[in-house]
Amino acid sequence: AQKITQTQPGMFVQEKEAVTLDCTYDTSDPSYGLFWYKQPSSGEMIFLIYQGSYDQQNATEGRYSLNFQKARKSANLVISASQLGDSAMYFCAMREFSGSARQLTFGSGTQLTVLP
Amino acid sequence: DAGVTQSPTHLIKTRGQHVTLRCSPISGHKSVSWYQQVLGQGPQFIFQYYEKEERGRGNFPDRFSARQFPNYSSELNVNALLLGDSALYLCASAQAGGETQYFGPGTRLLVL
Repeated sequence: AQKITQTQPGMFVQEKEAVTLDCTYDTSDPSYGLFWYKQPSSGEMIFLIYQGSYDQQNATEGRYSLNFQKARKSANLVISASQLGDSAMYFCAMREFSGSARQLTFGSGTQLTVLP
Repeated sequence: DAGVTQSPTHLIKTRGQHVTLRCSPISGHKSVSWYQQVLGQGPQFIFQYYEKEERGRGNFPDRFSARQFPNYSSELNVNALLLGDSALYLCASAQAGGETQYFGPGTRLLVL
């Protein structure tokens, strides 16, 4: 079974509007972390936001917020006031804390295009 | 502060050759991880090193090996290259006890 599922291969959003990128995960580990990364065409993975499984509040970082619904095993990324520079590939990732390795499991990504 | 650096940025090899990729972590970071990203997919975990010891290994053949040096920099070695090894190789570093991994710009490897 896929551990991280991103069902939207591509998304379009108008500049200045908000957009939600979907991510669902599958784990039996009670302790885990969820991440979102942005990958422009240059290739570098840019860290956006982190949510721990025991965090009571949804994480926010500037225009990024993570809509964490633990019972549904979803960790959607919300980008407010989209900008042209937000056009990129977005990856959801998970780290399960039961293992000793700091291993991230990534989804297949969502290509976001911001329209002027 | 400098971010994670990787060298070389691009590399072209032929099947059967050997390649060494290099990574320097963010200053103060002791954990280094390597990922392979094939075109159109998310990154796949290869190795993690912490304090020069291997802490984890992904589902990759023994042709892949790595090591970490006393200054916490790292090398990824791939022997007997196959066409399927063509990918973007990403290195990430993290602080001791920190959760967030910070990635470098990657090395694009093309195997002909």
